[in-house]
Amino acid sequence: QQQVKQSPQSLIVQKGGISIINCAYENTAFDYFPWYQQFPGKGPALLIAIRPDVSEKKEGRFTISFNKSAKQFSLHIMDSQPGDSATYFCAASMYQGPGNTGKLIFGQGTTLQVKP
Amino acid sequence: SAVISQKPSRDICQRGTSLTIQCQVDSQVTMMFWYRQQPGQSLTLIATANQGSEATYESGFVIDKFPISRPNLTFSTLTVSNMSPEDSSIYLCTAQGTTNEKLFFGSGTQLSVL
Repeated sequence: QQQVKQSPQSLIVQKGGISIINCAYENTAFDYFPWYQQFPGKGPALLIAIRPDVSEKKEGRFTISFNKSAKQFSLHIMDSQPGDSATYFCAASMYQGPGNTGKLIFGQGTTLQVKP
Repeated sequence: SAVISQKPSRDICQRGTSLTIQCQVDSQVTMMFWYRQQPGQSLTLIATANQGSEATYESGFVIDKFPISRPNLTFSTLTVSNMSPEDSSIYLCTAQGTTNEKLFFGSGTQLSVL
């Protein structure tokens, strides 16, 4: 019940296309859902995050869509660029108060390659 | 955003030895965590580093193998003890700011055990 399932494992997209990565969870107590981007040799960097009180959040070319009833959320990367080529992780946790989103449970990761 | 510095960035160690990884944050943070990322895998939480008290370990991780210290609000260490090749991973320190929920990661320590 603590798992977060992520798909696909790998994704190849042409430059300018839309990259879509999906995640599903079981624990309805999760209420914080971030996405992280990781380049080789680097630690994960927070891209965007959402809470269940909204169904969509957009920051630049990155959008999270959230479906509470289906217990699913997805990351959309619009106008994908070669510089977006990286590994993307979804995660989930239970909010535990100001400055504490608790322990993150990560998905398995998606390796994205954007072809020029 | 908090800036997290980890040392060493990488190391190659012999079986049976121990390595201590240091994590320094440039501002006071409420929470600090240690994660492990095995080759080609996702991130798994090892423990929560509690200031001035014993760390809280996740299932599958024990203090004897991964002793953790957090003497103040900006610094923590993780020791990987009695290492075996199975401990070869990236070890990542993370921290959460006092005023927001964002979790920041350091660049990690790439550990190879021969």
